[in-house]
Amino acid sequence: DAGVTQSPTHLIKTRGQQVTLRCSPKSGHDTVSWYQQALGQGPQFIFQYYEEEERQRGNFPDRFSGHQFPNYSSELNVNALLLGDSALYLCASTTGGFGGNTIYFGEGSWLTVV
Amino acid sequence: GEDVEQSLFLSVREGDSSVINCTYTDSSSTYLYWYKQEPGAGLQLLTYIFSNMDMKQDQRLTVLLNKKDKHLSLRIADTQTGDSAIYFCAESGSSNTGKLIFGQGTTLQVKP
Repeated sequence: DAGVTQSPTHLIKTRGQQVTLRCSPKSGHDTVSWYQQALGQGPQFIFQYYEEEERQRGNFPDRFSGHQFPNYSSELNVNALLLGDSALYLCASTTGGFGGNTIYFGEGSWLTVV
Repeated sequence: GEDVEQSLFLSVREGDSSVINCTYTDSSSTYLYWYKQEPGAGLQLLTYIFSNMDMKQDQRLTVLLNKKDKHLSLRIADTQTGDSAIYFCAESGSSNTGKLIFGQGTTLQVKP
């Protein structure tokens, strides 16, 4: 049973560029959330997708956008990259749009903006 | 507002017990979680506790919840060098929609 998978694992981008990160939820899960973890900090909630719609959003600018596909996989897009966007981006999955005891995380995508 | 606080660092000897503490602000949180993060890796769900419980034990892990004081702790018995990692406490909030609020993490160092 595959867990939450994310790609790519590492990438380097230049300021002003755009990046797309991908996530496949754990088998049986239909809800995907994205988090940003800066170095030395706890993860911060970006947004959540359920039934192919953004259901809730954290305190992140509109440069951060996403999408969920019919197979429940998701993408995170960040436009006009800033140096401060350098972080580990984590995807989490759960079921039915609820939390409970089944929130699992992937290994993350390390983004470096230079 | 929602906030979770943890002490930053804990050092123990191999074989001792470790206790990692956490305080949270949202008294209506439905679930509280502990995650482990090893260097360069993602978050591993260790355990969780439902808000109507006081204690949960899972092998070497014991979670204690004091709702009155909004205090959560994770005890690791017989700590091993492989337990060295960053431990995050997280709360679900009252809506329990899968949005988690994390603390800044406690680095556990286990000395041989």
